[in-house]
Amino acid sequence: DQQVKQNSPSLSVQEGRISILNCDYTNSMFDYFLWYKKYPAEGPTFLISISSIKDKNEDGRFTVFLNKSAKHLSLHIVPSQPGDSAVYFCAVYTSGTYKYIFGTGTRLKVLA
Amino acid sequence: EAQVTQNPRYLITVTGKKLTVTCSQNMNHEYMSWYRQDPGLGLRQIYYSMNVEVTDKGDVPEGYKVSRKEKRNFPLILESPSPNQTSLYFCASSYRGQGDKQPQHFGDGTRLSIL
Repeated sequence: DQQVKQNSPSLSVQEGRISILNCDYTNSMFDYFLWYKKYPAEGPTFLISISSIKDKNEDGRFTVFLNKSAKHLSLHIVPSQPGDSAVYFCAVYTSGTYKYIFGTGTRLKVLA
Repeated sequence: EAQVTQNPRYLITVTGKKLTVTCSQNMNHEYMSWYRQDPGLGLRQIYYSMNVEVTDKGDVPEGYKVSRKEKRNFPLILESPSPNQTSLYFCASSYRGQGDKQPQHFGDGTRLSIL
């Protein structure tokens, strides 16, 4: 019973184009939604996040959108760069439980 | 430099031989957590700790133990390892579970192989 799903295991995008990574969740009680990036042989690193009271958050080339009615989260990377090639995990957090739940990850490949 | 340090980075061992994976952070974080990463399953939380002497189960705690005797250290103990615990393990820390305000910092991982 996966509460957080990333239905696309992989995605390839041309350099300079937009990358859109998607994440669906089942529980409307989640407070915060986060994206982490992971390179091989390294731990995940925090990328960007959004709280449940907002629907958009931007940080440079990265924008996270939250659609609460659809229980859908997306990460937009514009423009995509080869250095963005990594595995991206979405994660959710509930203040009351102090627990994090991660998705299964999407491997992004940005082609030069 | 702010960091989460895990040891060992790699370990091959046999079924039933007790092992401990250490985790240490130098950021004075209250919250620490252990995850395992498996193909197709993403990162799953094993245990977490809100502060010294306060620990709680994550989604996959079976077969694992933890302790939090000091703020900086959060070891993961496998009392009797089995092959299904072969995985890539990550330790993480943050200020007390603040969600987006204080995201987690991760170690570089420990690859465990249980034969």
